[in-house]
Amino acid sequence: EADIYQTPRYLVIGTGKKITLECSQTMGHDKMYWYQQDPGMELHLIHYSYGVNSTEKGDLSSESTVSRIRTEHFPLTLESARPSHTSQYLCASRGDRYNSPLHFGNGTRLTVT
Amino acid sequence: AQSVTQLDSQVPVFEEAPVELRCNYSSSVSVYLFWYVQYPNQGLQLLLKYLSGSTLVKGINGFEAEFNKSQTSFHLRKPSVHISDTAEYFCAVSEEAAGNKLTFGGGTRVLVKP
Repeated sequence: EADIYQTPRYLVIGTGKKITLECSQTMGHDKMYWYQQDPGMELHLIHYSYGVNSTEKGDLSSESTVSRIRTEHFPLTLESARPSHTSQYLCASRGDRYNSPLHFGNGTRLTVT
Repeated sequence: AQSVTQLDSQVPVFEEAPVELRCNYSSSVSVYLFWYVQYPNQGLQLLLKYLSGSTLVKGINGFEAEFNKSQTSFHLRKPSVHISDTAEYFCAVSEEAAGNKLTFGGGTRVLVKP
């Protein structure tokens, strides 16, 4: 049973549009993450947050931005979508302890035409 | 800095045969190790984790993994696979010095054939 929710599951959108991918979790986790994953490929960390009003860029440079106004909500925004943004975006959260596992949402598969 | 290497990008295996997925990590401090499974068009699901104690860890769906500190490995095994085990498997490591970030391996695709 998922405690972390991503919407939409699938999104097809034209070039130049602004999009927001939603991510919410009900576990009260302070730490949240966004990963980008191309089909059959490894995960790349693009953003993370350690709490409200805290956001950091990840290991892979991304043109997207994130915000963390509420603990449970960590949306990702693309101001102007391009075909190169076509990918799967996975949101995750974890507890405070270093040995806490990540909990993942089901992902948003984005296609920019 | 921590890093994770999954030596096999793809592992074909026949149904009811055993499978082993290899994972090696590099770290100079104590680590916590995880295996995740990703079914098609889904997010990652925790399969098992090693935090401390017994080096043999049992997870869901009949999987187990063994932590070997001297070889810095955390290989995943299942004695008899099912068609439903076809998925991508990711090994991950977390260490306190890394700011509480998990580092993932490149993934191993398991294809179970009938």
